[in-house]
Amino acid sequence: RKEVEQDPGPFNVPEGATVAFNCTYSNSASQSFFWYRQDCRKEPKLLMSVYSSGNEDGRFTAQLNRASQYISLLIRDSKLSDSATYLCVVNLGASNTGKLIFGQGTTLQVKP
Amino acid sequence: GAVVSQHPSRVICKSGTSVKIECRSLDFQATTMFWYRQFPKQSLMLMATSNEGSKATYEQGVEKDKFLINHASLTLSTLTVTSAHPEDSSFYICSAPPSSYLGGYTFGSGTRLTVV
Repeated sequence: RKEVEQDPGPFNVPEGATVAFNCTYSNSASQSFFWYRQDCRKEPKLLMSVYSSGNEDGRFTAQLNRASQYISLLIRDSKLSDSATYLCVVNLGASNTGKLIFGQGTTLQVKP
Repeated sequence: GAVVSQHPSRVICKSGTSVKIECRSLDFQATTMFWYRQFPKQSLMLMATSNEGSKATYEQGVEKDKFLINHASLTLSTLTVTSAHPEDSSFYICSAPPSSYLGGYTFGSGTRLTVV
């Protein structure tokens, strides 16, 4: 079983749609959680950290369910510029020098 | 914010040669640097962790004699792919840990290595 699992997609949605991505992780000792965005042939960039209480940043909402070891990302009012691969990332360490474990990524294509 | 400069961005080399990839932290000191490899349509896989002043820690299955890592100073970490083969062709990327617990890691821009 992969340590971090995501549906690779692709998710093809029209502009303005709401789309949700899910992610599960296997290590219950995982300490912190993130969503990164990766454009083709580029480095990953932090989209948002995921907090236990859930958090929102503009059109993006992240949720964490520690009991189910499940993380989600909701994108509202999709824009063409949201087209990218979204990586679910888990930090196994208890400190900020812990290893990051990446999911395979979920590809989103937003179409006009 | 923190910036990690990675060079070269793209390199093509012949089989059997060695390639050095550099990552520099530009406005902060990085005592630790993570090195990842990403094959097409796959996730980033951690190869090794470099630590300034000590030996790198390699992940299981990564040959330390083939992927030489040196963390020469608080601002420079290098990965050398020795005796490169076509199967080493990949996207290599470095990352420095964040300054705060819930902060994001800072990534270099990546090096696309093609071995012919």
